Amino acid sequence: DAMVIQNPRYQVTQFGKPVTLSCSQTLNHNVMYWYQQKSSQAPKLLFHYYDKDFNNEADTPDNFQSRRPNTSFCFLDIRSPGLGDTAMYLCATSRGDILDDEQYFGPGTRLTVT
Amino acid sequence: DAKTTQPPSMDCAEGRAANLPCNHSTISGNEYVYWYRQIHSQGPQYIIHGLKNNETNEMASLIITEDRKSSTLILPHATLRDTAVYYCIVQGGKLIFGQGTELSVKP
Repeated sequence: DAMVIQNPRYQVTQFGKPVTLSCSQTLNHNVMYWYQQKSSQAPKLLFHYYDKDFNNEADTPDNFQSRRPNTSFCFLDIRSPGLGDTAMYLCATSRGDILDDEQYFGPGTRLTVT
Repeated sequence: DAKTTQPPSMDCAEGRAANLPCNHSTISGNEYVYWYRQIHSQGPQYIIHGLKNNETNEMASLIITEDRKSSTLILPHATLRDTAVYYCIVQGGKLIFGQGTELSVKP
């Protein structure tokens, strides 16, 4: 059974045209994360929500925003995508223990900006 | 910056044990060692984690040295489906991925 679901799996958008990626979870986890993974690179954390508390990484561009309307859903909004935002976007969840806490990843959304 | 060092690539024969090393010499006393893997074009998958003691689950074993400055992930009988990038991560609250080890399991 799918636990972390991401939609769509593939998305093509035009330069500057806003795009929203979706993530949902059936694990009832407290924390939801968004990562960006560019080609041949490791995943890089953009931000996360602990319940309703939003935590942004220091080097995440302002162009990237997120919303978490309820426990199950989290969205990644890219306000004005640039060509450099072409990447795989990964959503993950965890219970929220500070140290002893594995993350569960979705399959990712592959975004192409043209 | 990632706090771990891993070899960029390794090969393993199918059916043999794959031993993937990781150095984490700056690990703090309360930080866990986590291993994830990422099969091509999929999301990362949690494998195992530990603090001080060796750990084993249905996927793998984790051996942590007594000084906790290094660890080894062991896949006891590697199969072709184990071909992936393996990430060793020292977690102090959030995952910071290094470049990982690209494991190729060959027939």
